[in-house]
Amino acid sequence: AQKITQTQPGMFVQEKEAVTLDCTYDTSDPSYGLFWYKQPSSGEMIFLIYQGSYDQQNATEGRYSLNFQKARKSANLVISASQLGDSAMYFCAMRAPGTASKLTFGTGTRLQVTL
Amino acid sequence: DTGVSQDPRHKITKRGQNVTFRCDPISEHNRLYWYRQTLGQGPEFLTYFQNEAQLEKSRLLSDRFSAERPKGSFSTLEIQRTEQGDSAMYLCASTPGVSQLDEQFFGPGTRLTVL
Repeated sequence: AQKITQTQPGMFVQEKEAVTLDCTYDTSDPSYGLFWYKQPSSGEMIFLIYQGSYDQQNATEGRYSLNFQKARKSANLVISASQLGDSAMYFCAMRAPGTASKLTFGTGTRLQVTL
Repeated sequence: DTGVSQDPRHKITKRGQNVTFRCDPISEHNRLYWYRQTLGQGPEFLTYFQNEAQLEKSRLLSDRFSAERPKGSFSTLEIQRTEQGDSAMYLCASTPGVSQLDEQFFGPGTRLTVL
């Protein structure tokens, strides 16, 4: 079974600063994918970034980067140059093949960006 | 096609009533997923369709829940004899199904409140 752990219920960051949101995972499958989603107060889940278990380099998408440490089973999200619009819930999720490709989510981290 | 759509966005019902939600995936997406998200938690997998075939159901999906995807297009999720514990956000997601590690695109969700 897969498990995702997000230990930070809430985080604050000042505008224009960088912030790291923690995610650890547990799986026995050698092939898996790790995802980060953003959920604003409106409710929709917005895909941010993806990291495959065999990817050699850390994924980057604009201001988002994923610090993937396979041996530690961690996949932390780094947001650079935070903006007020980044305030939202952030979910880490994992998908392993052979499980209908369903996603297993963590409990999320609420990020608040301040002036 | 701008994305996954769900209807209604909000539903308030009395305990014991039946409710039905609809999800329209991105066109030509073969895979469709239903998730449930309760307050303070990440989404939890409910069920999954590959075209019109329902291939996996979570143990969370009691016999009061039924989902269909006729003709492999839109999907409906029905809850019979609703209970207060059914109050949650119901999220639908779709993916092309080309790769096991395809990104899932989420709809805005249907927020159900059972009084």
